[in-house]
Amino acid sequence: DAGITQSPRHKVTETGTPVTLRCHQTENHRYMYWYRQDPGHGLRLIHYSYGVKDTDKGEVSDGYSVSRSKTEDFLLTLESATSSQTSVYFCAISDNPRSGRAGNEQFFGPGTRLTVL
Amino acid sequence: AQSVAQPEDQVNVAEGNPLTVKCTYSVSGNPYLFWYVQYPNRGLQFLLKYITGDNLVKGSYGFEAEFNKSQTSFHLKKPSALVSDSALYFCAVQNTGNQFYFGTGTSLTVIP
Repeated sequence: DAGITQSPRHKVTETGTPVTLRCHQTENHRYMYWYRQDPGHGLRLIHYSYGVKDTDKGEVSDGYSVSRSKTEDFLLTLESATSSQTSVYFCAISDNPRSGRAGNEQFFGPGTRLTVL
Repeated sequence: AQSVAQPEDQVNVAEGNPLTVKCTYSVSGNPYLFWYVQYPNRGLQFLLKYITGDNLVKGSYGFEAEFNKSQTSFHLKKPSALVSDSALYFCAVQNTGNQFYFGTGTSLTVIP
C-alpha cells in the first residue's frame, strides 16, 4: 500500500468520546487526504492537507478536525463521536507534480473501521 | 461543481467476455479522470488515468478507458474478463485544487 499505514485498523467506541485516527506515510508526498466510505456514497472527502500545517475542508467536514505537524503524519480527530460517524476511514496521499498542475494519482492506506455505539 | 456518476451499482459478466464499467462526469475546466479498484477489506488501488492526449488510456491488469469529451464519459473496459477482476470499481475526477471526487462505485462480478 505504497508506504501508508493507518492506526488503529479497527476501533469500537461510544457516543460522545473523542477519537483520533492516524495516517503515516513514508513517501514524502505533499498531499494527504482523509475520506470516509459508506455504502451508497462511495468515498467522500473529509479534510485534506497540502503541506505541513496547511489543511482545508472537504465535502463532509462537520464533526471532524485534522492536524499535520509533520510531512509524514496526518491526524483525523472526532471531537465527540456520533453513531453517524460509524464508517470506514481511508487515508490517501499524492505527490505534487513539478509542473504545478494536477493529475497525480492517489495512493490509499488499508483503512480504519470505526464503530460508534 | 465537480461530480461523478456511475449509473450501475452492479455489473455481471461471464469470464472471457468483454466488460464495461460506465462513468460520466461533470467538471469545470479540463478534466483529470481516474479509475481505481478496491478488493474486499483493502484500500483503493490506482488503475489508470486520463490527463491529456490520446482518448484511449491503457492501465494495469489489461484495463483501458476511453475518454469522450462530447459525452463527458470515461468508461472502463477490458477485452476479456477474468474471475479475479471481480471487485469494486471507482471512477474519480480531480479539480485543479487537487481535490478528488469519487463516484459511488460499481461492483463487478465475473462469473466463471
